[in-house]
Amino acid sequence: SQTIHQWPATLVQPVGSPLSLECTVEGTSNPNLYWYRQAAGRGLQLLFYSVGIGQISSEVPQNLSASRPQDRQFILSSKKLLLSDSGFYLCAWSWDFSSYEQYFGPGTRLTVT
Amino acid sequence: GQQVMQIPQYQHVQEGEDFTTYCNSSTTLSNIQWYKQRPGGHPVFLIQLVKSGEVKKQKRLTFQFGEAKKNSSLHITATQTTDVGTYFCAGRDNTDKLIFGTGTRLQVFP
Repeated sequence: SQTIHQWPATLVQPVGSPLSLECTVEGTSNPNLYWYRQAAGRGLQLLFYSVGIGQISSEVPQNLSASRPQDRQFILSSKKLLLSDSGFYLCAWSWDFSSYEQYFGPGTRLTVT
Repeated sequence: GQQVMQIPQYQHVQEGEDFTTYCNSSTTLSNIQWYKQRPGGHPVFLIQLVKSGEVKKQKRLTFQFGEAKKNSSLHITATQTTDVGTYFCAGRDNTDKLIFGTGTRLQVFP
């Protein structure tokens, strides 16, 4: 069976500090991978998606970036965090980009102070 | 850009009452999915609807996809405290991207 891991679970970072969130998927190969952000009490905003190693599509211009150094690893980064970057960051995977459901990881709750 | 709106944003019900959330898209969708997010948790896939006018049931939950494939609804019969959470619809647009709705937060009082 497939599992998706995210770490850390919670993070408190000062404004201007760097960020690195990691997501890994087990039990499948060449998954489609996604990063979402959810502000408190709000919906899910798609930030990045990847259909293969080294292929990253950005949905929202911002100070975040994503990388996929390995088939089942997806990393969300920032060089300098802003207060507005606070939120619940969710990684997800799917079998196929166009037709299947997405499976979400447990999320990382980021507070920028 | 495409938007997927859900109403209501928030609803309280007494345990045993019914609940419905509505999802509306500004454009035609190829399919629609529904997810449930428990408080403090992550979204979990419930169901996918593909055909115009399709209706699917999962125990007390009934999902419907509109004839024009621009709206959908989720109806829960006789709510239970375990139904508490936020329900999201997610529609797939003509670029195959999944656009999540704004969500409806359900609170059930015993």
